[in-house]
Amino acid sequence: AQKVTQAQTEISVVEKEDVTLDCVYETRDTTYYLFWYKQPPSGELVFLIRRNSFDEQNEISGRYSWNFQKSTSSFNFTITASQVVDSAVYFCALSEFLSGGYNKLIFGAGTRLAVHP
Amino acid sequence: EAQVTQNPRYLITVTGKKLTVTCSQNMNHEYMSWYRQDPGLGLRQIYYSMNVEVTDKGDVPEGYKVSRKEKRNFPLILESPSPNQTSLYFCASRDRVAGANVLTFGAGSRLTVL
Repeated sequence: AQKVTQAQTEISVVEKEDVTLDCVYETRDTTYYLFWYKQPPSGELVFLIRRNSFDEQNEISGRYSWNFQKSTSSFNFTITASQVVDSAVYFCALSEFLSGGYNKLIFGAGTRLAVHP
Repeated sequence: EAQVTQNPRYLITVTGKKLTVTCSQNMNHEYMSWYRQDPGLGLRQIYYSMNVEVTDKGDVPEGYKVSRKEKRNFPLILESPSPNQTSLYFCASRDRVAGANVLTFGAGSRLTVL
């Protein structure tokens, strides 16, 4: 069965520290997508990144970077020089393909990141 | 502005009192779905709809109903709410474009059932 595991329930860091959020997934599909979403204290879900299973290149966007490794079924997210505004719950998700070409997202339990000044 | 709109955003109700959470999108998306978010469980899909009049159960459909009579609307109905349906609910939509896959979420509806 498709599954996403975010083993870190909560992480607490001091501002300017680097922090890595772990995500491990299980899937039988050969083609799939992985996602990260951010949920700030206001509660909305903010899309951060989508990665397809054929693209193992790491990606960097400002202070954010993602490391996708198919060999270990992991898609980890690193925040460099963390800031208080990074405090949020972060969800990793995996697409599960349904009939008709659609898919649904399987979410991990989330990691709550607290960045302290 | 392209968006998914949910109402109400906050609701406190009592066991057994029927309620509807509305969801509307203005992006002409074919696919819509409902998720609930609970601590330690992440988001779980309740129902989804691939098009008008086409709906199907997700992972946790018990106690919920949906309808898709128009493309833009996908209401979530709790016929007889119970305390275990206290949760944060998200509606989402996506276009049927190969490889798109990115869901647009509403702002969430926090429901408390006493």
